[in-house]
Amino acid sequence: DAKTTQPTSMDCAEGRAANLPCNHSTISGNEYVYWYRQIHSQGPQYIIHGLKNNETNEMASLIITEDRKSSTLILPHATLRDTAVYYCIVRVAVGNQFYFGTGTSLTVIP
Amino acid sequence: GAVVSQHPSWVICKSGTSVKIECRSLDFQATTMFWYRQFPKQSLMLMATSNEGSKATYEQGVEKDKFLINHASLTLSTLTVTSAHPEDSSFYICSARDEGATSYGYTFGSGTRLTVV
Repeated sequence: DAKTTQPTSMDCAEGRAANLPCNHSTISGNEYVYWYRQIHSQGPQYIIHGLKNNETNEMASLIITEDRKSSTLILPHATLRDTAVYYCIVRVAVGNQFYFGTGTSLTVIP
Repeated sequence: GAVVSQHPSWVICKSGTSVKIECRSLDFQATTMFWYRQFPKQSLMLMATSNEGSKATYEQGVEKDKFLINHASLTLSTLTVTSAHPEDSSFYICSARDEGATSYGYTFGSGTRLTVV
């Protein structure tokens, strides 16, 4: 079962930062936080993941709170192509399945 | 990066017939693959875990005799929807992990849209 809660939907102005929150209050010490996104009628696309330190890559930044009970995905300069459903998932690093929650539908507005 | 290919991307079949969907890891080996189903405006639901050389593990509520999974090689898993009915119409997605890579998530295929008429 999914162990995360996310807002159902969010809007963001094009060019602005999009901050997508995720609550995972029951996360275990060996569970990572993963973020994927799904553009309509496509398979999910990997964005970023982390354990306890903040992470940044070419797509986004991941901020994990010190108690690890929540995290925020940041898209620094949202474009129209970032309109998608964003999923936050927690799981053990190796071997375990991904269970998807309901995700956040992000709409980037021109 | 790791690529997972699904075939076909869409299929229409008549009620009562069977449909096979293929999932291939193109540039890596995967002893484990996963099959998901997604209905319109809903999230992905894990159906089963496909294990190379052994039986698949199905999630609770998924009929193993209806959704046959075969993982005969390290790069190919197939899902066969047997005796398909209109309620089986859905978006089916597979995923796999490059076990030779460092800690990373799973790569997903582009999905197969099944329509049963």
